[in-house]
Amino acid sequence: AQSVSQHNHHVILSEAASLELGCNYSYGGTVNLFWYVQYPGQHLQLLLKYFSGDPLVKGIKGFEAEFIKSKFSFNLRKPSVQWSDTAEYFCAVSMYSGGGADGLTFGKGTHLIIQP
Amino acid sequence: KAGVTQTPRYLIKTRGQQVTLSCSPISGHRSVSWYQQTPGQGLQFLFEYFSETQRNKGNFPGRFSGRQFSNSRSEMNVSTLELGDSALYLCASSLGGQGHTEAFFGQGTRLTVV
Repeated sequence: AQSVSQHNHHVILSEAASLELGCNYSYGGTVNLFWYVQYPGQHLQLLLKYFSGDPLVKGIKGFEAEFIKSKFSFNLRKPSVQWSDTAEYFCAVSMYSGGGADGLTFGKGTHLIIQP
Repeated sequence: KAGVTQTPRYLIKTRGQQVTLSCSPISGHRSVSWYQQTPGQGLQFLFEYFSETQRNKGNFPGRFSGRQFSNSRSEMNVSTLELGDSALYLCASSLGGQGHTEAFFGQGTRLTVV
């Protein structure tokens, strides 16, 4: 079964610091890759996704992620974080076959706290 | 357009009872997936329905079941509730056809089993 690992469970940064959250997955076939964010009291929202093409994908709110196939990684980055980025971040993967994608396998999440 | 709607938002049930949760997908979305979120296990995939058929299934016991109606609305049922079933149950909808699609999540139903 595929698995998703997020390296950091808790991250504390100051405003304007740069952010990189690691994500590795175990499946060797074709995958769809996602980063979701859950702000306090809100539902999961999609930050960005990778299906194919340019491995550097840009999402909402200044986030980007790079797919490195050889490393089975999909790390999330933001050059300068804001207090409003405080949230739980989830990396998710689904296997893709010609018939469509499987359900999402999520990492355990990273709780990001931005200090003003 | 309206997002994914889950009802009820909160439920308290007693061990041994059964419960039904409801999910209305985004208009035009034909796929509905269900996930369980707990502090210990995180987010885990339960099953996915597309065009009234279960298309994918996670690794959960048979007490967890679901169905999808012709209007794409979905229900999830848990029978013989156990304390460990206490969790946030999330529903996600997507277009779901051939090809890559992204999932949109609802607010969830918080189930507490006492």
